[in-house]
Amino acid sequence: DVQLVESGGGLVQPGESLRLSCATSGFTFSDYWMSWIRQVPGKGLERVANIKNDGSDKYYVDSVRGRFTISRDNAKNSLSLQMNSLRAEDTAVYYCVRDRYCGTIDCFYFDYWGQGALVSVSS
Amino acid sequence: SYVLTQPPSVSVAPEKTAKITCGGDNIGTKSVHWYQQKPGQAPVLVVYGNNDRPSGIPERFSGSNSGNTATLTISWVEVGDEADYFCQVWDSGSDHVFGSGTKVIVL
Repeated sequence: DVQLVESGGGLVQPGESLRLSCATSGFTFSDYWMSWIRQVPGKGLERVANIKNDGSDKYYVDSVRGRFTISRDNAKNSLSLQMNSLRAEDTAVYYCVRDRYCGTIDCFYFDYWGQGALVSVSS
Repeated sequence: SYVLTQPPSVSVAPEKTAKITCGGDNIGTKSVHWYQQKPGQAPVLVVYGNNDRPSGIPERFSGSNSGNTATLTISWVEVGDEADYFCQVWDSGSDHVFGSGTKVIVL
């Protein structure tokens, strides 16, 4: 079975840093693009960053570009998100997610999600 | 930016049919995907590519997409279907876009 397990969430003050990790199993990690998606409690979903299967291409939403860094270790089947200069508006549950492509134009979705890691930024 | 509009809630009696809409400009030209999220849990993919189901998702879940509206239909609703449902598309100008979610309430 596919499993995605996040760790590293917690409470930090504005301006501080936090690193999220995602341990994966049950699939060939190096074959898939991966994403981090966040959800403000009780609110909608936002894709924060994603990374190509070989790590050579990365995407960031404007609000985190320059502050967050996504990375992966295919030898360890793990995904990471380094979050610097955290702001109150970064408070959310962060999900490690597997990207999928249907094969038809513009058909991209997410087929497996971790249980989430809560990041709280508050003074 | 591309916007997806969902009703906040839909109420349905057990064994009846629930229809959850997702509105967007010419959404019929896009591929729509649907996720179910129960309280305190991560989202689960229930429909992808407008009307395909991942393995393990009951046939009671189906999707359609035409014009400016995509619809997730849940037939023979069960108490266990009570959850939030989000639609999602990929748009070249907006990247991944999620709807705000619809809470399905089973009466």
